[in-house]
Amino acid sequence: QQQVKQSPQSLIVQKGGIPIINCAYENTAFDYFPWYQQFPGKGPALLIAIRPDVSEKKEGRFTISFNKSAKQFSLHIMDSQPGDSATYFCAASSSGGSEKLVFGKGTKLTVNP
Amino acid sequence: DVKVTQSSRYLVKRTGEKVFLECVQDMDHENMFWYRQDPGLGLRLIYFSYDVKMKEKGDIPEGYSVSREKKERFSLILESASTNQTSMYLCASSPWTSASGELFFGEGSRLTVL
Repeated sequence: QQQVKQSPQSLIVQKGGIPIINCAYENTAFDYFPWYQQFPGKGPALLIAIRPDVSEKKEGRFTISFNKSAKQFSLHIMDSQPGDSATYFCAASSSGGSEKLVFGKGTKLTVNP
Repeated sequence: DVKVTQSSRYLVKRTGEKVFLECVQDMDHENMFWYRQDPGLGLRLIYFSYDVKMKEKGDIPEGYSVSREKKERFSLILESASTNQTSMYLCASSPWTSASGELFFGEGSRLTVL
């Protein structure tokens, strides 16, 4: 049973575009929603995370939007660059932290020059 | 910098062999995790440990076991490898109380079972 549904599976944008990756969940006990970024040959690394007491969080060009009533959250990348080309995973947990994170299936983002 | 080291980046084993995947972290983290990554399936938790000699099953523990004899080391064991265990295995660690909830991953061990 997939607890976090991520879409799209792949995404291609031009440099400067604003890719948006969406995730939806069912478990209302989830209280921590991170996004991880993975480059080829590397392990995933935390990019940005949000807790349900806020609706938006920005870190540099990366923004998480969170809609608690719809049980959805999304990642926006402003002014995307070829160096942002990577696989992005959303995740959720009900422990408030890293324990028993449930990951989405991932989105492979390609940013063309 | 936090470093999570997986000793074997690539392994090729035969069906039925016993396989050990080793992971060491150098940040004195209490929690350690083993995930499996497959294309189109994302990351799935196999086992995690929150203390020495303690372990908890994740979502897909069948066919795997783990060992944590020292705080810095967490081993994943495939008692009798099967072809459906061909995958990328990722080890991760985190502190017991983490304000950021961040997992620190190793670079992965790609296992092929023939």
